[in-house]
Amino acid sequence: GAVVSQHPSRVICKSGTSVKIECRSLDFQATTMFWYRQFPKQSLMLMATSNEGSKATYEQGVEKDKFLINHASLTLSTLTVTSAHPEDSSFYICSARWTGRGGNQPQHFGDGTRLSIL
Amino acid sequence: KNQVEQSPQSLIILEGKNCTLQCNYTVSPFSNLRWYKQDTGRGPVSLTIMTFSENTKSNGRYTATLDADTKQSSLHITASQLSDSASYICVVSAKSGGGADGLTFGKGTHLIIQP
Repeated sequence: GAVVSQHPSRVICKSGTSVKIECRSLDFQATTMFWYRQFPKQSLMLMATSNEGSKATYEQGVEKDKFLINHASLTLSTLTVTSAHPEDSSFYICSARWTGRGGNQPQHFGDGTRLSIL
Repeated sequence: KNQVEQSPQSLIILEGKNCTLQCNYTVSPFSNLRWYKQDTGRGPVSLTIMTFSENTKSNGRYTATLDADTKQSSLHITASQLSDSASYICVVSAKSGGGADGLTFGKGTHLIIQP
């Protein structure tokens, strides 16, 4: 159980293109989804937190107009990298969790999206 | 500032050998500590989770220990297999929450198992 699916797994596109990444919780309702960015040999860096039906909360230094997050349902969140440039090339990972009577449950991670901007 | 430091940064061992990875943290107030395995190009997968009162937990050939007094944890891998080659990430959660549920990620130990 607790499967998170991320799509696409790999994107290669030209500079200036906008890219949308989807994150789906397949067998549970995700009250909260997180978006991370990971550079080679570095730890996961939180970009933003999104609760279903609410605006995302962005971490300091992350441009909300550059990285658009939509969490319109309990099973889907999307991250759109607008007007992507080579410096946006990275590994983007989403995670999802639900909140039960015991409080926040552990985050379950997707398999990531490798974004390469030429 | 909450921090998680892992060592070694990378490790190469022969198949069948054991190894131990270390994690030191300064996260406060402490809630729990998780070890994740991240294969290349994949998302992290949880191996173990330990709260303050737990000092050891096993998951197959993986055994994690926690010393909450010294704020140290270790992950011991027994009889390593080629499929164990991956990055192992230590993640510590703070009770007060905050971004990403108060999670602080280590940079990981990159483990390579050689035949």
